[in-house]
Amino acid sequence: DIQMTQSPPSLSASLGDKVTITCQASQNINKYIAWYQQKPGKAPRLLIRYTSTLESGTPSRFSGSGSGRDYSFSISNVESEDIASYYCLQYVNLYTFGAGTKLELK
Amino acid sequence: QVQLKESGPGLVQPSETLSLTCTVSGFSLTSYGVNWVRQPPGKGLEWMGTIWNDGSTDYNSALKSRLSISRDTSKSQVFLKMNSLQTEDTAIYLCARQLRDWGQGVMVTVSS
Repeated sequence: DIQMTQSPPSLSASLGDKVTITCQASQNINKYIAWYQQKPGKAPRLLIRYTSTLESGTPSRFSGSGSGRDYSFSISNVESEDIASYYCLQYVNLYTFGAGTKLELK
Repeated sequence: QVQLKESGPGLVQPSETLSLTCTVSGFSLTSYGVNWVRQPPGKGLEWMGTIWNDGSTDYNSALKSRLSISRDTSKSQVFLKMNSLQTEDTAIYLCARQLRDWGQGVMVTVSS
């Protein structure tokens, strides 16, 4: 099974900041990583697939990058609506979610 | 319009079997796979298993011995059955089409 190590578990940011979340896979996942946003009481929302491809409706302040085992997800110019939890997901071999990152306002 | 809706009992006794239904609309189960994902209160997401468009299944290795996913294509329904439930199985259970379109989830509490 592929493990996904996501960090940090929590993040505090001011409006307008840039924040970055990382996920490291236990083996090469060949860019098959997606990123989700989840707000309290809501289902996850797919933001990015295949490392850096933005889903329709995902604002351009969200971005993803990486290769091999190491991947990152960034939000530039954090807005109040971005306050949520974020999860990475590998899908090269079945599926594994990262443990999540809770983004809070400073 | 793609829609998924989970249904099932809100309370299950320890050691008993959980049965959930995901009723879908707006797409065919023979064209798209459906996943089950769960989320314990205040914790992260856990992929449980998938029934693919051809009817084959894959399961999380940690749950494989207790879990079964099946479907009725004529009724556009996907079923989850998990046995030997314990308190740590208390969670919101969600179904999703290709992990892109999601149901609202159903809360299941395991308690006597």
